[in-house]
Amino acid sequence: DGGITQSPKYLFRKEGQNVTLSCEQNLNHDAMYWYRQDPGQGLRLIYYSQIVNDFQKGDIAEGYSVSREKKESFPLTVTSAQKNPTAFYLCASSLGRSNQPQHFGDGTRLSIL
Amino acid sequence: AQSVTQPDIHITVSEGASLELRCNYSYGATPYLFWYVQSPGQGLQLLLKYFSGDTLVQGIKGFEAEFKRSQSSFNLRKPSVHWSDAAEYFCAVSGDSWGKFQFGAGTQVVVTP
Repeated sequence: DGGITQSPKYLFRKEGQNVTLSCEQNLNHDAMYWYRQDPGQGLRLIYYSQIVNDFQKGDIAEGYSVSREKKESFPLTVTSAQKNPTAFYLCASSLGRSNQPQHFGDGTRLSIL
Repeated sequence: AQSVTQPDIHITVSEGASLELRCNYSYGATPYLFWYVQSPGQGLQLLLKYFSGDTLVQGIKGFEAEFKRSQSSFNLRKPSVHWSDAAEYFCAVSGDSWGKFQFGAGTQVVVTP
């Protein structure tokens, strides 16, 4: 079945450490997105990519970085510059047009040790 | 800029009773509107979407939504809720050419026996 796979499901970060969240899709979607979810705040866009080797900052990109070397993959790195990284992170993909829904993975919960 | 408001943070409903979740949007042109559902610790699942045409849209799991341009609303309804409908519900609007979504803050639904 086609879908989006996020790993790991749970991740712990030590102070000063960078961690990378994986997102893989086999839906042949061009666009991919990373969101951060905090209680009561809905989903906030971190980064998005419309095509391989291209990506743009979303609303809360500071302290995060991404790459898009393959169509299927869009990993997110939470750097040590992100001072409040504890959150639920969701990856999504779509055909990249405004009338197309986004499809979501099951998320990664990141916590600070 | 587009925005979405979900006025109700939390709704409690009895099993078998009807449910209505409110969503108001702000967008200059005709928006594309979506409702998603999220179970705890999971990703978002698409319930339904509105692009144009009939203002009453049918979705999965017995949900429907009505688009009212005059009120800038896209409310979600279900005639008779089941205990499995307990979840968080998100309204989203899309209007940019590349498919950027704006999500509401979500409404948490609790179903009582």
